Amino acid sequence: GIQVEQSPPDLILQEGANSTLRCNFSDSVNNLQWFHQNPWGQLINLFYIPSGTKQNGRLSATTVATERYSLLYISSSQTTDSGVYFCAVETGGFKTIFGAGTRLFVKA
Amino acid sequence: DGGITQSPKYLFRKEGQNVTLSCEQNLNHDAMYWYRQDPGQGLRLIYYSQIVNDFQKGDIAEGYSVSREKKESFPLTVTSAQKNPTAFYLCASSGQINQPQHFGDGTRLSIL
Repeated sequence: GIQVEQSPPDLILQEGANSTLRCNFSDSVNNLQWFHQNPWGQLINLFYIPSGTKQNGRLSATTVATERYSLLYISSSQTTDSGVYFCAVETGGFKTIFGAGTRLFVKA
Repeated sequence: DGGITQSPKYLFRKEGQNVTLSCEQNLNHDAMYWYRQDPGQGLRLIYYSQIVNDFQKGDIAEGYSVSREKKESFPLTVTSAQKNPTAFYLCASSGQINQPQHFGDGTRLSIL
C-alpha cells in the first residue's frame, strides 16, 4: 500500500523561529490534508491541499502532486503551535492514510 | 453548534467484555470514519462509511464492528476478539469525497 513519510520526526524551536515540515508519499493520491494535534489530543484540520499553495495566517502549505510531496510552513512560531503535525493522504474512495507525524515543541 | 460528539471521554473495559463507543455528528456529513491512535503513533483507519447502511474495512478492522443505521451516528464496538484494545479512538466525518475531515475529541479506552 501507499507509504506516507514525515520529516523531521521531532523539532524544537525557539519562539519566533520559522520551520518547514515535509510529507512524502509513495504513490498518486486523490488529496492531502495537514492536521495539528494539540497536547489534549484534539485534531484540527489545517489545510486540505491536493495541489498548489494555500495560506492561513502564519501557516502555509504547498503540495507538488507530480513529485509526491507536501510542505507545511510555520512562520514566527508561538508556544501554542506545539503539538504533533500530521499529514494524511486519501487514496481511492474515502480511505485515508496518516503519516507518523512531526512532534513540535516551541520554547518561550 | 455543529460538530462531532464522542462519548464517553474515558472508558474502561474488563477482559472478555464488548464495549461500544459513540460518535454523533450534526454537520449533515455523508462520510464517517473511525481511527485508532496508539501512544506516540499516527492514526490508523479502522472502518469508514460513505453513506447510510454502508461501511468498509480500513487497515485494522479485526476485533472491531460498526453500524451506520442513521446518517448522524456511527458507533464502534470493540469486541473481546480485539486483544490489545487500549488506545485513543477518534471519530471523524466529511461532507463528501474531496472534502476535509473534521474530528471529535476522542475516547480513551483502557483495560482493567
